[in-house]
Amino acid sequence: QSALTQPPSVSGSPGQSVTISCTGTRSDIGSSNRVSWYHQPPGTAPKLMLYEVANRPSGVPARFSGSRSGNTASLTISGLQAEDEGDYYCSSYTESSTSLWVFGGGTTLTVL
Amino acid sequence: EMQLVESGGGLVQPGGSLRLSCAASGFSFSSYWMHWVRQAPGKGLVWVSRIKGDGSDTRYADSVKGRFTISRDNAKNTLYLHMNSLRAEDTAVYFCVRDGDAYNFDFWGQGTLVTVSS
Repeated sequence: QSALTQPPSVSGSPGQSVTISCTGTRSDIGSSNRVSWYHQPPGTAPKLMLYEVANRPSGVPARFSGSRSGNTASLTISGLQAEDEGDYYCSSYTESSTSLWVFGGGTTLTVL
Repeated sequence: EMQLVESGGGLVQPGGSLRLSCAASGFSFSSYWMHWVRQAPGKGLVWVSRIKGDGSDTRYADSVKGRFTISRDNAKNTLYLHMNSLRAEDTAVYFCVRDGDAYNFDFWGQGTLVTVSS
């Protein structure tokens, strides 16, 4: 069981928007802006999409946006494209004694 | 071009040992904290360990503490993960990952598969 909770799957048609939630606790998501999101297409390595909740690394389209409210972070993808398919993972730095970083269980995005 | 290339994975019996390597290129390796993150087959990502750029500070997830050791050779631009007392639950793809300096993982290798089975 992952430390952060994500929905197992979401889907949308090309051009639509989808939002993926990521729920943690006061010790991780709720304690700071140290939340990041990763995209992992099938059979490939993860790629950083957002860091510090809403900042996009160079090369990530503005269609990807993030937010945080309390113990829940969210990733929104607008203008869905076929290349957006794959698994999305949230991650948070944590003050837990068992691990410095925790991840969500992953959400599979299907573009219909 | 930035690259992280893992090697050393394979099949090992329970209780055995293995050393993973990660060859880095295209960036100033010694300036970055580095991590190992693993992913069991069909499962999610799990953070394993972290090491400071000069090797002076290391941290581990509780699940591997006392069994795994992270190290680096900055002269060779190489990160290592020494794994002892391996268990079936250590079976996973192990990714070498660069620290993004903002509590994130900004560049990932392609991973190397470790299978612990008799």
